[in-house]
Amino acid sequence: NAGVTQTPKFQVLKTGQSMTLQCAQDMNHNSMYWYRQDPGMGLRLIYYSASEGTTDKGEVPNGYNVSRLNKREFSLRLESAAPSQTSVYFCASPGQQSGDTEAFFGQGTRLTVV
Amino acid sequence: GDSVTQMEGPVTLSEEAFLTINCTYTATGYPSLFWYVQYPGEGLQLLLKATKADDKGSNKGFEATYRKETTSFHLEKGSVQVSDSAVYFCALRNTGGFKTIFGAGTRLFVKA
Repeated sequence: NAGVTQTPKFQVLKTGQSMTLQCAQDMNHNSMYWYRQDPGMGLRLIYYSASEGTTDKGEVPNGYNVSRLNKREFSLRLESAAPSQTSVYFCASPGQQSGDTEAFFGQGTRLTVV
Repeated sequence: GDSVTQMEGPVTLSEEAFLTINCTYTATGYPSLFWYVQYPGEGLQLLLKATKADDKGSNKGFEATYRKETTSFHLEKGSVQVSDSAVYFCALRNTGGFKTIFGAGTRLFVKA
């Protein structure tokens, strides 16, 4: 049981380049999230998808777009990368929509924009 | 809005020392509270949780009690090991909410 799988694990981009981070979960969960992790700032929510076909902005959505391709997959796109987007990105999925279930995380994508 | 505040790190302890990492929260309603742990190079994984006031979550020797009167969920361990070195995140999720709110994380170093 793979849980939440993210690709790639590492990426270096030049300023202005675009890329898509992929995330897939095999747990049949409805909700999926994208977070970024920066030193001293914890995890900040970029976008989330409460169910297939819906997406909503989180705390720090600027510079990003998302697609909930189907129930399994939730991708994050950087259209024109900036150095401020250097971060570690995590995809996560909670077990249920009720509040008492934890989120399951992917292993992260370490992105550097030069 | 909902928020989580946890003590700044890093925290450096010797093996077998007692650990406390403070966490307080602000939330409407009755959130569930979580502690996640992140080992180097890995994603976050659930350490323990508590879903209502006075509940105690425990796992791997770690404990935390949901204190509604002080809006706190402090993490404790009686005797830390080198293998406990990691970053610890306090988090909350509100009833019916889709979002999990995380604290900034506290890095723990345990010396042999």
